[in-house]
Amino acid sequence: AQRVTQPEKLLSVFKGAPVELKCNYSYSGSPELFWYVQYSRQRLQLLLRHISRESIKGFTADLNKGETSFHLKKPFAQEEDSAMYYCALSVTGNQFYFGTGTSLTVIP
Amino acid sequence: EAGVAQSPRYKIIEKRQSVAFWCNPISGHATLYWYQQILGQGPKLLIQFQNNGVVDDSQLPKDRFSAERLKGVDSTLKIQPAKLEDSAVYLCASSSINRDRGRRYEQYFGPGTRLTVT
Repeated sequence: AQRVTQPEKLLSVFKGAPVELKCNYSYSGSPELFWYVQYSRQRLQLLLRHISRESIKGFTADLNKGETSFHLKKPFAQEEDSAMYYCALSVTGNQFYFGTGTSLTVIP
Repeated sequence: EAGVAQSPRYKIIEKRQSVAFWCNPISGHATLYWYQQILGQGPKLLIQFQNNGVVDDSQLPKDRFSAERLKGVDSTLKIQPAKLEDSAVYLCASSSINRDRGRRYEQYFGPGTRLTVT
């Protein structure tokens, strides 16, 4: 079975502080991991994917196969980062499994 | 390019009634997904189409839910009869396929349909 775990439902940090949103997955094959974000009153949208190893809006995420983790990090949080963040796992056949999400609030 | 379109945006029905949702994916996207997102939870995949064929419907409650994508473009999701626990946002998403090295492309989501069953 494929599982994605996001242990924190709510996370609050002060502006300028580092932020880390945790994601762990369970999959025996070769996974593709994604982070999706939903800003207030907007559609769910892709933030970044592990395969492209890019930094989007200052966020990065490294796939750690040993720890089966794909934590999302940003060194200095901004108010506009306040949103709902979902970690997602893609397996063979283009099927996707989402975590329960973490609501990030950046306090001014 | 135009995004994924869904209608209606909101629907309120009584339990045991029927309801249908419509989705128009991004032009050229072969893969279409229907998700159910209950309040406080992440999206749960109900059914995935590749063109007009079903790739995965393992989490679709087939006794009451049905979906089709007859011409490989638009799709409809139907619930008949609805139950209180079906209250949720129903999301449609689409993606293209890059056949090189089997890479999976990002999904583009529609605005969702918020269903309330009373």
